[in-house]
Amino acid sequence: AQSVSQHNHHVILSEAASLELGCNYSYGGTVNLFWYVQYPGQHLQLLLKYFSGDPLVKGIKGFEAEFIKSKFSFNLRKPSVQWSDTAEYFCAVGGNNRLAFGKGNQVVVIP
Amino acid sequence: EAGVAQSPRYKIIEKRQSVAFWCNPISGHATLYWYQQILGQGPKLLIQFQNNGVVDDSQLPKDRFSAERLKGVDSTLKIQPAKLEDSAVYLCASSLDPRGWGYEQYFGPGTRLTVT
Repeated sequence: AQSVSQHNHHVILSEAASLELGCNYSYGGTVNLFWYVQYPGQHLQLLLKYFSGDPLVKGIKGFEAEFIKSKFSFNLRKPSVQWSDTAEYFCAVGGNNRLAFGKGNQVVVIP
Repeated sequence: EAGVAQSPRYKIIEKRQSVAFWCNPISGHATLYWYQQILGQGPKLLIQFQNNGVVDDSQLPKDRFSAERLKGVDSTLKIQPAKLEDSAVYLCASSLDPRGWGYEQYFGPGTRLTVT
């Protein structure tokens, strides 16, 4: 079964700072990779996904993620965060007919 | 398009009591999921339905948890009897494609269960 590791569970940064959240996965087969976001008081929603092709994936709200197969990683990045990016971010790996989620990163952006 | 609906939003019960959660997925979505999210962790899949058949219930504690999907649409998740460690948010999600997990899952607001 697949598993996902997310580090730095709590991240605090100022507006305009750059954000990078690490995601490492473990799975022997072909993977599909996702980042989900949960804004305060809202549902979990899809931020971006990778199935195949260009390993640099662009999502909503200026986020992007890079799939590095050799490192089993799918890190999320945003060059300049805004206060509205305060949220919890979850990396997920699809395989074996199921999605496995990481523990999440709680990101707080200070105005 | 209406989203995934869940009720109730909050529930407080005592241990050994029973509780039921309801989910109405997005219209036309073949696949429905129930997840358990314990504080500080990511969602964990409990059960996956495709139409009204169970695809995966390997992580469902079947001695106390049960779920059904009525006529391939609405679903209920039941816990009987509840334990303290069942305190969590229970999320329902649905997906359009029958292959399920490989495509975007749409999540409901969740039911926050507290067992005292």
